[in-house]
Amino acid sequence: EPEVTQTPSHQVTQMGQEVILRCVPISNHLYFYWYRQILGQKVEFLVSFYNNEISEKSEIFDDQFSVERPDGSNFTLKIRSTKLEDSAMYFCASGGRDRGIRGYTFGSGTRLTVV
Amino acid sequence: EDKVVQSPLSLVVHEGDTVTLNCSYEVTNFRSLLWYKQEKKAPTFLFMLTSSGIEKKSGRLSSILDKKELFSILNITATQTGDSAVYLCAVEQGGATNKLIFGTGTLLAVQP
Repeated sequence: EPEVTQTPSHQVTQMGQEVILRCVPISNHLYFYWYRQILGQKVEFLVSFYNNEISEKSEIFDDQFSVERPDGSNFTLKIRSTKLEDSAMYFCASGGRDRGIRGYTFGSGTRLTVV
Repeated sequence: EDKVVQSPLSLVVHEGDTVTLNCSYEVTNFRSLLWYKQEKKAPTFLFMLTSSGIEKKSGRLSSILDKKELFSILNITATQTGDSAVYLCAVEQGGATNKLIFGTGTLLAVQP
């Protein structure tokens, strides 16, 4: 079963530092997403990426956030200057042409702790 | 505002019981409804529902969608301790992004 791979699984960073969360989506997928889940809260949409560009971003995804798909396999989320409230589990997800049958596949997440 | 509401928030049952989890939604440009199981980290896909009244089934799990009343249920029969997890309902919103709007989840604990 193909998987979405995320690294690192856990990252601790100091407030104001930049972090890069990495994801390797399933290779033949077309739609790529970042979601986050603050502890005890619901999973929230951050950004979607299709055809090498952002197709939608939420209000959470402000100028401190950026995404890249630099080499056709990796998909990264960068937070330029982290805040305490950025502490959350960040999930990468991808979907392909068969998403009507198989849905969207989520990675295991990166737990970001900002101190 | 688009929203997905799940109930109950949590549920404790004994092995062998049957449970029904509920999901109601108000989402513009509805495309489909998905159920996921979240045990430790990654939500794992269970079902995607697009048509009203057609039950999807996988082993002891089944789900159905009512697009007129805007809700879905997830049934688990003969529960096992391995069914203990958070069950997430998400609505796929159509358009350029097909993003998912999630409910808060139902925490199911199955006791031996």
